[in-house]
Order: sequence, then structure tokens, then C-alpha cells
Amino acid sequence: DVKVTQSSRYLVKRTGEKVFLECVQDMDHENMFWYRQDPGLGLRLIYFSYDVKMKEKGDIPEGYSVSREKKERFSLILESASTNQTSMYLCATRENYGYTFGSGTRLTVV
Amino acid sequence: TQLLEQSPQFLSIQEGENLTVYCNSSSVFSSLQWYRQEPGEGPVLLVTVVTGGEVKKLKRLTFQFGDARKDSSLHITAAQPGDTGLYLCAGDSGGSNYKLTFGKGTLLTVNP
Repeated sequence: DVKVTQSSRYLVKRTGEKVFLECVQDMDHENMFWYRQDPGLGLRLIYFSYDVKMKEKGDIPEGYSVSREKKERFSLILESASTNQTSMYLCATRENYGYTFGSGTRLTVV
Repeated sequence: TQLLEQSPQFLSIQEGENLTVYCNSSSVFSSLQWYRQEPGEGPVLLVTVVTGGEVKKLKRLTFQFGDARKDSSLHITAAQPGDTGLYLCAGDSGGSNYKLTFGKGTLLTVNP
């Protein structure tokens, strides 16, 4: 079975901290995505990557960056965490049939 | 920007009832997907519909793609408490980057 693993289920960070969210897939997929999910706003695309070292901005990239040094790993970086970045973060990969999501990381910034 | 409107936003029903969730857009999609998400977990793909007018059945769930490929519906027959969750539709406009447009979801609660 296809697997997408997010390193943390829950994180609590302080305002101003640099935060790394890690995502690893075992399917050799080229396309990987980072979304955030908020009540009433749905899933919003932050960044995606279609190959190693290749990335594109999604709909809400401000305050975030990404890194994809290896095909299986796609990292989301919050350069200086703020309280409005408190959210559920979801990583996904996709081939033809649809997205496979990780279990999510619920990040709280205090 | 393509938008997908889902309705209703919330639905609370009794076990055994039938229900329909709608997903509408003014844009044409090459395919449309439905996901279900349980609390604290990521969404899980239920089905992908590709052809206009297509109907797919998954046990008690029936998915339909509109003829013009702009809308879709999910019908659940004889709902059970295990069907409780957030149902998301997502449209694929095509292209090599596989980016999807998601609706905001329908939160379904099935009471015993």
C-alpha cells in the first residue's frame, strides 16, 4: 500500500521559531504537495513540487518555504512562526489515480 | 481561479436515512474525485469520475459526474454511523502537475 508519513502528529511552537514539517513517501512519486486545512476555509495549497529541487508556489505561500533534496522527502518550513499559522498541515503525493495524504500535523503556535 | 462549491456544508441525519451531497462549479474538469476525512486524519480517496454522465457505485455510495463535467453528486443510501466524516470533492483541470481544486467539504454526522 502507498504510504505518506508526516513526522509529527502534534506540534506546539513559539511565535518567531523556525519550524520544519517533514513528509516522506515510499511510492517514488514525482509530485508532492503541502496543504493547510482550516475550518470554513477548506484545503489551501501552500507549495508543490514536481521533481527533486523543483518547486512552485500554491495559493498561500507567504510565510512558508519548502525543500525537496530527495525524491521521497518534501519539507515545509515556517521561517518565523506566527499565531495565524496555527492549522492542520497535510502532505500529499499524486500519480494518475488521485492523492494519497499523510495523517496530518496539527501545529499550534503560541 | 477555479472554485468548487459544496452543499450542504453540514448535515446531521439519523441512521438509515438517505442523503445527497453536491459539488458544483462553473469550470469544466477533466476528472473529479471524492474523499472522506475522519477527525485527526488525512483525507482518503473514495472514487475518481472521469467521463461526463458517469455513475460509479461503492457499496451504499453512488457518485455521479455531470454531463458537462462541471458538477458531481454523492448519494448515500441507508447511512450508518461509520459514514460520519468530512466529505470533500476535488476537481482536476488537467495538466502535468496534478494540482487539484478542493471544495470546502460537507461535514456529515450520522446519529445511531
